[in-house]
Amino acid sequence: ETGVTQSPTHLIKTRGQQVTLRCSSQSGHNTVSWYQQALGQGPQFIFQYYREEENGRGNFPPRFSGLQFPNYSSELNVNALELDDSALYLCASSPRRTSGADTQYFGPGTRLTVL
Amino acid sequence: AQRVTQPEKLLSVFKGAPVELKCNYSYSGSPELFWYVQYSRQRLQLLLRHISRESIKGFTADLNKGETSFHLKKPFAQEEDSAMYYCALKGGSQGNLIFGKGTKLSVKP
Repeated sequence: ETGVTQSPTHLIKTRGQQVTLRCSSQSGHNTVSWYQQALGQGPQFIFQYYREEENGRGNFPPRFSGLQFPNYSSELNVNALELDDSALYLCASSPRRTSGADTQYFGPGTRLTVL
Repeated sequence: AQRVTQPEKLLSVFKGAPVELKCNYSYSGSPELFWYVQYSRQRLQLLLRHISRESIKGFTADLNKGETSFHLKKPFAQEEDSAMYYCALKGGSQGNLIFGKGTKLSVKP
């Protein structure tokens, strides 16, 4: 069984640029959630995708958007990058929409630095 | 508002000493609470959840609705317990997690 993978591991961008982060969910999982973890903070929920549709969103502006593909992998896109977007971005997959948070399996994260 | 508070940023104990990592929550309704752990250079992983009432690696956590707490305890700390510990609350219908800021546990030999 393959775990959740994320790419790239690290990324450096400048203010105003756009970035795409990628996540491959664990085998058999159809739900993907994205979290932002700023330095010294716990992860914060960005949004969740289930069967290719957004299924809930946290308190993040529209310049944070996502996609989920038929194979359940997912992308997180951030437009017009700001310095405060510098953080670790975590992807978590779970086997079904109503499974509950206890079955979320996290990837290793992508470290984004905005200069 | 749904919120999780972990009052201690850092907790340092000696090997063999008891450990208690504090977690308080704010939630209207019946909460579902979890502890996640992140060891050095490893990904975030589930340690335990209150509905299972289980003990994992010697850790237990009891939900106290009156005090709105879900403290994590272990009677005898081991060096390998050194890690970041996050308390989390299930919020919203989609099952997203609301995390506290985390407590770094350091177990000294």
